[in-house]
Amino acid sequence: DVKVTQSSRYLVKRTGEKVFLECVQDMDHENMFWYRQDPGLGLRLIYFSYDVKMKEKGDIPEGYSVSREKKERFSLILESASTNQTSMYLCASIDVDRVSNQPQHFGDGTRLSIL
Amino acid sequence: AQSVTQLDSQVPVFEEAPVELRCNYSSSVSVYLFWYVQYPNQGLQLLLKYLSGSTLVKGINGFEAEFNKSQTSFHLRKPSVHISDTAEYFCAVSATSYGKLTFGQGTILTVHP
Repeated sequence: DVKVTQSSRYLVKRTGEKVFLECVQDMDHENMFWYRQDPGLGLRLIYFSYDVKMKEKGDIPEGYSVSREKKERFSLILESASTNQTSMYLCASIDVDRVSNQPQHFGDGTRLSIL
Repeated sequence: AQSVTQLDSQVPVFEEAPVELRCNYSSSVSVYLFWYVQYPNQGLQLLLKYLSGSTLVKGINGFEAEFNKSQTSFHLRKPSVHISDTAEYFCAVSATSYGKLTFGQGTILTVHP
């Protein structure tokens, strides 16, 4: 069974801090994604990566960056955290060779609070 | 670009009653369609998916959905709900080879005894 692990379930940080959210998958998937989830807005794509060191912006990349140095790990970085980045963050991965008939596999999420 | 609209933000029902959660999408290309469920404090779990073929799709936990191309809809149904179905449900579409998903706003289903 595919396992997508997010390093923290809950995280509290202060405004202006640099914040790292880590995600690891154990199925050698090429594509990985970061979403944020807000009430009434569903999930919105921040960034995705289709290979090591490759990344593309999603719908709401402002204020975020990502890093993919190894295939299994995809990090989301908040360069200077702000209160409007308080949210639930979800990581997902997918096997690019089976995109057409395999769903994305999600981690359990990190609930981030910026004070 | 694709978009997804879930027509109800909250749906309260009594246990053993039928339920329908509505989803409409727009896209200029063919899409794959999904319903995900999120239980409290958990990630998303796939309920069912439509890729091609039969327009009636059956998923886990007794849920089913019907793809209607002319109405661009993919409504989720269950004939008799249980308390344990209380959760948030998300409709999503994918139209790219990267597997990117576009989600609806979510529908909170609350099943009352």
